[in-house]
Amino acid sequence: QSVLTQPPSVSEAPRQRVTISCSGSSSNIGNNAVNWYQQLPGKAPKLLIYYDDLLPSGVSDRFSGSRSGTSASLAISGLQSEDEADYYCAAWDDSLNGYVFGTGTKVTVL
Amino acid sequence: QVQLQESGPGLVKPSQTLSLTCTVSGGSISSGSYYWNWIRQPAGKGLEWIGRFYPSGSTNYNPSLKSRVTISVDTSKNRFSLKLTSVTAADTAVFYCARGWAGDGGWFDPWGQGTLVTVSS
Repeated sequence: QSVLTQPPSVSEAPRQRVTISCSGSSSNIGNNAVNWYQQLPGKAPKLLIYYDDLLPSGVSDRFSGSRSGTSASLAISGLQSEDEADYYCAAWDDSLNGYVFGTGTKVTVL
Repeated sequence: QVQLQESGPGLVKPSQTLSLTCTVSGGSISSGSYYWNWIRQPAGKGLEWIGRFYPSGSTNYNPSLKSRVTISVDTSKNRFSLKLTSVTAADTAVFYCARGWAGDGGWFDPWGQGTLVTVSS
């Protein structure tokens, strides 16, 4: 019952830039920080961006995040084949009093 | 660094209770800086947060699962557990445990590798 909406898929050629949107509401993204997770095929999710735009240690600076109003976005620049994965946004929801994930976006490198 | 490892039966019969344990190594589960979470993912589908436990004893559960879920902690063994009652085939999923930051943002890091639980007779 995802309450955060993402495009199902995005694709782009190597070395190009893609952006993934995450649309929510005032009870989640509008009032709480957004985190992003990368899930490589067959693997557990991994923290990619936290607190809207911060990179954990070891994450490439080709990844960047932002939040405005009730939406957030993840950008991947200099796309590489190793970036092929599913990406999820997530945030706390004050109305549900729980954590909500986005619907997920599959990134394909052409 | 902190590592999490899920364990438990891979097959559960319909109407029975699913029980999983997450063992934490490299850090104390009693740290007041973190929540301890369960998350699941049906095959080919997205992530669903199940609930979390804070060392003080407080819990939060996904409203859609709240009537069937209990998360508890065994600090003596540095592990926490999930119980999901009255399971059906719809509960078949990979279950992950994850540490969650207790401050603003509440991000999950790290995650366990996940364990597949199939509900079938």
